[in-house]
Amino acid sequence: AQSVSQHNHHVILSEAASLELGCNYSYGGTVNLFWYVQYPGQHLQLLLKYFSGDPLVKGIKGFEAEFIKSKFSFNLRKPSVQWSDTAEYFCAAAWAEYGNKLVFGAGTILRVKS
Amino acid sequence: EPEVTQTPSHQVTQMGQEVILRCVPISNHLYFYWYRQILGQKVEFLVSFYNNEISEKSEIFDDQFSVERPDGSNFTLKIRSTKLEDSAMYFCASSEASGLVWLEQFFGPGTRLTVL
Repeated sequence: AQSVSQHNHHVILSEAASLELGCNYSYGGTVNLFWYVQYPGQHLQLLLKYFSGDPLVKGIKGFEAEFIKSKFSFNLRKPSVQWSDTAEYFCAAAWAEYGNKLVFGAGTILRVKS
Repeated sequence: EPEVTQTPSHQVTQMGQEVILRCVPISNHLYFYWYRQILGQKVEFLVSFYNNEISEKSEIFDDQFSVERPDGSNFTLKIRSTKLEDSAMYFCASSEASGLVWLEQFFGPGTRLTVL
């Protein structure tokens, strides 16, 4: 079955530290990959997405992610986090042969200390 | 900026009762979805809906669940006889119709359903 795994459930960083959140998906085929963010009390919002092409994807708020097909990975990165990045981050995947449904990882709660 | 809205934000019900969760998708979107997140667990896909019919559903979406687009704006999820294990946050999402090209799903704020 299709699955997405996120390596860390809780991450605590100081402001200006670099961030990398791990995400792996279960198998190949034509896969679309996403990172969503949920700020406290707010909706799930799309940070970035990968469909095809350049495996390094840039999103909003300085986030980027790299698709590494050989590792079935799509890790999220930010060179310097801010206190306002405190949120829960969800990796998700959709496989073309399985329709438009998103399969989510468990989420990573990021707390940035000011 | 257009957004998906959901009502109510919190619903408390007794086991065995019927509940209807309501969603207003973004107006020009044609694909609609329901997901749920049981506390401490992953967000799980329930059902997708397009052109007035279910296009895909998960194993969770059994005969107790149904979806409907009763008018041009609302999209509802009905649970006929709620169970304790239905307690969860229910998210509605919508996306533009795209053919073979996948487009972003926009999520609502969720309805927290508590079954007592």
